[in-house]
Amino acid sequence: QKEVEQDPGPLSVPEGAIVSLNCTYSNSAFQYFMWYRQYSRKGPELLMYTYSSGNKEDGRFTAQVDKSSKYISLFIRDSQPSDSATYLCAMNTGGFKTIFGAGTRLFVKA
Amino acid sequence: NAGVTQTPKFRILKIGQSMTLQCTQDMNHNYMYWYRQDPGMGLKLIYYSVGAGITDKGEVPNGYNVSRSTTEDFPLRLELAAPSQTSVYFCASSYTGQGGGGGYTFGSGTRLTVV
Repeated sequence: QKEVEQDPGPLSVPEGAIVSLNCTYSNSAFQYFMWYRQYSRKGPELLMYTYSSGNKEDGRFTAQVDKSSKYISLFIRDSQPSDSATYLCAMNTGGFKTIFGAGTRLFVKA
Repeated sequence: NAGVTQTPKFRILKIGQSMTLQCTQDMNHNYMYWYRQDPGMGLKLIYYSVGAGITDKGEVPNGYNVSRSTTEDFPLRLELAAPSQTSVYFCASSYTGQGGGGGYTFGSGTRLTVV
């Protein structure tokens, strides 16, 4: 069993839809949770960084962490074609090694 | 701001050849990392460094070596290239180290094929 599981998709939605991206994990020691966006043939870029449980909002993006269920989510409101990318979740226990999910490919159709 | 710069962007190697992937950052970050990304797999940590002169192994270090003589540069050396090293390599840096470093800044990657 992988430490971090992420549905690879692809997920296809119409422009303006609310998108929900999710990851599950098995290591209860994870405390730091991140979401990265990766455009084709580019490096990942940080979208959200959260510590412990709860919600964090930044513009159209909301990150949610449920440590009791070992489940994290990224919500994108009013999705745009420019949001089409691969979204990677990542987790860390507090040390130097961050574990990444395999990524979910998202397509937003105009 | 250049951020994290990787060279080359693409490279084809023959089995047994060696090469160095270059990485430099201009953000004065102490912490630097090398990851590889394979299709359907998450990013895997190869090596990381907490400062000049200090490096440590990650999850998949076999077949690779690193050095960190300056804060800015963190080259990755492949000795005796094998087809299993065909991958996309990303260098990253962060201001802090633990807890995911507050988020990493990644370079644009080096796409390596070993034939």
